[in-house]
Amino acid sequence: GQQLNQSPQSMFIQEGEDVSMNCTSSSIFNTWLWYKQDPGEGPVLLIALYKAGELTSNGRLTAQFGITRKDSFLNISASIPSDVGIYFCAGQLGDNTGKLIFGQGTTLQVKP
Amino acid sequence: NAGVTQTPKFRILKIGQSMTLQCAQDMNHNYMYWYRQDPGMGLKLIYYSVGAGITDKGEVPNGYNVSRSTTEDFPLRLELAAPSQTSVYFCASRPPQGQETQYFGPGTRLLVL
Repeated sequence: GQQLNQSPQSMFIQEGEDVSMNCTSSSIFNTWLWYKQDPGEGPVLLIALYKAGELTSNGRLTAQFGITRKDSFLNISASIPSDVGIYFCAGQLGDNTGKLIFGQGTTLQVKP
Repeated sequence: NAGVTQTPKFRILKIGQSMTLQCAQDMNHNYMYWYRQDPGMGLKLIYYSVGAGITDKGEVPNGYNVSRSTTEDFPLRLELAAPSQTSVYFCASRPPQGQETQYFGPGTRLLVL
């Protein structure tokens, strides 16, 4: 089946540092999504990207939809302790089913 | 709106037992989805539904069944629980039109012993 390769698998950073993570795929997606999951909770949408080349920000978060439609990255600037969690990328198929393919996740830990 | 709700939050099953994981949404969303999340992994799609009376298999449907008799409810059934079904199960929903994406429930943690 289709797979998304997300990296890095985990990160341990100092508060205030910037963070970057990315996803690549062998398939083309119409939409790229970035979710955050806190312990014991469901994923919550952070940013949605709908057009190749699109660069979108949400506060300290910035994400881009790769021009080839096969990759995306997420940057977090000036990290704070509440950024801790697991970040997932997801690609949405363009077949009107809304089905998502998820990456394996990036676990972020922030040291105060 | 309560959004997407799931019950129970946690359940322990013995091998061979059956159970139904409940999912409900009050946003009048047509599309609903069931995922499982294994430790250290992303979510994998089990089944999905594009509307009442319509269901289809996702990536990992074996060992599960679903039904969609109403727009609000999308229960997931395990008939003969196996240790391999130990996981966290998430239900999600979305409207059909536009660029909306999926809204997730809080999850059901299932342990099969």
